[in-house]
Amino acid sequence: QSALTQPPSASGSPGQSVTISCTGTSSDIGDYNYVSWYQHHPGKAPKLMIYEVKKRPSGVPDRFSASKSGNTASLTVSGLQAEDDAVYYCSSYSGSSDNNYVVFGGGTKLTVL
Amino acid sequence: QLQLQESGPGLVEPSETLSLTCTVSGDSISNNNYYWGWIRQSPGKGLEWIGSLYSGYTFYNPSLKSRVTISADTSKNHFSLKATSVTAADTAMYFCARQRCTSIYCPFDYWGQGTQVIVSS
Repeated sequence: QSALTQPPSASGSPGQSVTISCTGTSSDIGDYNYVSWYQHHPGKAPKLMIYEVKKRPSGVPDRFSASKSGNTASLTVSGLQAEDDAVYYCSSYSGSSDNNYVVFGGGTKLTVL
Repeated sequence: QLQLQESGPGLVEPSETLSLTCTVSGDSISNNNYYWGWIRQSPGKGLEWIGSLYSGYTFYNPSLKSRVTISADTSKNHFSLKATSVTAADTAMYFCARQRCTSIYCPFDYWGQGTQVIVSS
């Protein structure tokens, strides 16, 4: 069971937009619309930012948007703010005839310059 | 407000059994409205789903399935993780979390802050 692939780092200046990619396979991202994104500030509980590819939970700013194309999902943070500086993880449901599980990415450290 | 709190030994010896508990407040795990899961983060690595629990049913990461058990004690409103025969590779921050609906594909919407476990003699 391979983890989803994310770039280790991304950066942008305040006010700019940054997009983080998350690449999986046809057994996970490519076949299911169950992609989620989490924001993690070290020492705190991870926070759900996006679910089912592009839905935002209540309270998440609309500066956060997401999409999927083929086996790759993407998270875009627009109008970067200092508090967006965090690690972002993607996850997906992965299903097959004999295995159903959740897979995460390795995380992308977003630095707001 | 739903809160989850992990607890357990911070140090476990190699080959021993790791035991952690997640105490839930603000909701009852016996309501059967959600899945409840464990996730870990090893040093320098990403998140790894360990497994989830729902109404007595358990679902595990295939790579860990032979060594882990997740169970619930509804009288104490907590659920637990046990991992046998631990090695240094099990050193990680362990999180418990709620999945926001009743399926393994549901996202984790509430998380604990995590508890650090080190496997070392």
